Amino acid sequence: DSGVTQTPKHLITATGQRVTLRCSPRSGDLSVYWYQQSLDQGLQFLIQYYNGEERAKGNILERFSAQQFPDLHSELNLSSLELGDSALYFCASVAIGELFFGEGSRLTVL
Amino acid sequence: GENVEQHPSTLSVQEGDSAVIKCTYSDSASNYFPWYKQELGKRPQLIIDIRSNVGEKKDQRIAVTLNKTAKHFSLHITETQPEDSAVYFCAANNYGQNFVFGPGTRLSVLP
Repeated sequence: DSGVTQTPKHLITATGQRVTLRCSPRSGDLSVYWYQQSLDQGLQFLIQYYNGEERAKGNILERFSAQQFPDLHSELNLSSLELGDSALYFCASVAIGELFFGEGSRLTVL
Repeated sequence: GENVEQHPSTLSVQEGDSAVIKCTYSDSASNYFPWYKQELGKRPQLIIDIRSNVGEKKDQRIAVTLNKTAKHFSLHITETQPEDSAVYFCAANNYGQNFVFGPGTRLSVLP
């Protein structure tokens, strides 16, 4: 157990819909990273937050947005979903420079 | 920004043989280089890492080497076992910044 909690574990929805993925970092970790992993693909960096502020942004689509709340949990919002958005979405937090991943949220868009 | 390349994309070895995966990075400011193992449908898990002030690090059957001048680092797995079969990702990081991952290597250890 990495200590990073993600919900939901699985989500099935239809094209055009909107979903929210939630992440709670390890206790005391201030950073949250979001990654997208499509089938048999690598880990694509989406966005990073540090103590509530956006720190870095990757190839995140305009249909996607995220935020980190005062209690340090983070939410990734995906809207106007397309079939190609089907993927595993990982959240990770950092402790002493090491990146710890949650179990991921598997999104299936039908 | 940082760019990480990784080779080979797939690797098959016989059980008991060694496996080597190589990565190169572009940003000389990167100073932390972790390796992650990902089994099918599961989260990536850190297996070994190296910081820029060290040239080599070993942990039982796994070792990582770093050449800062050439900007490349490698993962070495000796005496491979079937349970080593997985996808391996290298990454580069400058403390506090983003972790940039390589595209991954699918390792198959054949019995």
